[in-house]
Amino acid sequence: QKEVEQNSGPLSVPEGAIASLNCTYSDRGSQSFFWYRQYSGKSPELIMFIYSNGDKEDGRFTAQLNKASQYVSLLIRDSQPSDSATYLCAVPNQAGTALIFGKGTTLSVSS
Amino acid sequence: DGGITQSPKYLFRKEGQNVTLSCEQNLNHDAMYWYRQDPGQGLRLIYYSQIVNDFQKGDIAEGYSVSREKKESFPLTVTSAQKNPTAFYLCASSIGQYGETQYFGPGTRLLVL
Repeated sequence: QKEVEQNSGPLSVPEGAIASLNCTYSDRGSQSFFWYRQYSGKSPELIMFIYSNGDKEDGRFTAQLNKASQYVSLLIRDSQPSDSATYLCAVPNQAGTALIFGKGTTLSVSS
Repeated sequence: DGGITQSPKYLFRKEGQNVTLSCEQNLNHDAMYWYRQDPGQGLRLIYYSQIVNDFQKGDIAEGYSVSREKKESFPLTVTSAQKNPTAFYLCASSIGQYGETQYFGPGTRLLVL
């Protein structure tokens, strides 16, 4: 059974700083990685996903993969108070039929 | 407007009662999923369906049942056998049968009276 681990936080950063969230995964063969953002009381929304062939940047968000150490990072540049949320990392299960989610890291951006 | 709808937003269950949570999507997605989220916990997979008239158990299927009679609809029944049903229930869908990128509905919060 694949596993996904995240530090629950909270991770506190000041406005304008870079927030770095990490996610470790157990299956070295994992090929795709997903980041979701979940505001309190709301459902998760997809931020970005990357494949094992490289990093990805989308606006203020960058996802980076470290295959050797089996972790994927989400960097948020110029953090805003509106970025305060729980960030969930996910990888496909063994059969590729569903996603396995970590418990999430709570980010708090102070103004 | 394409999307995933879940109803009701809040649902109250009495002891020994079965309740059904609705999930509808008009995205023409093949696969649909049900997750449960408890406070401070990640999402745990209850059931998923890759095609119509077929579904598979997830990690915590006991006490739940589903049907997939139409591509657009994937209702979840929480039966009386589920002894701790209080949670936030999330429905999701993905484009392909081996869908990776999942999109979520707004969720249903189930409370026990």
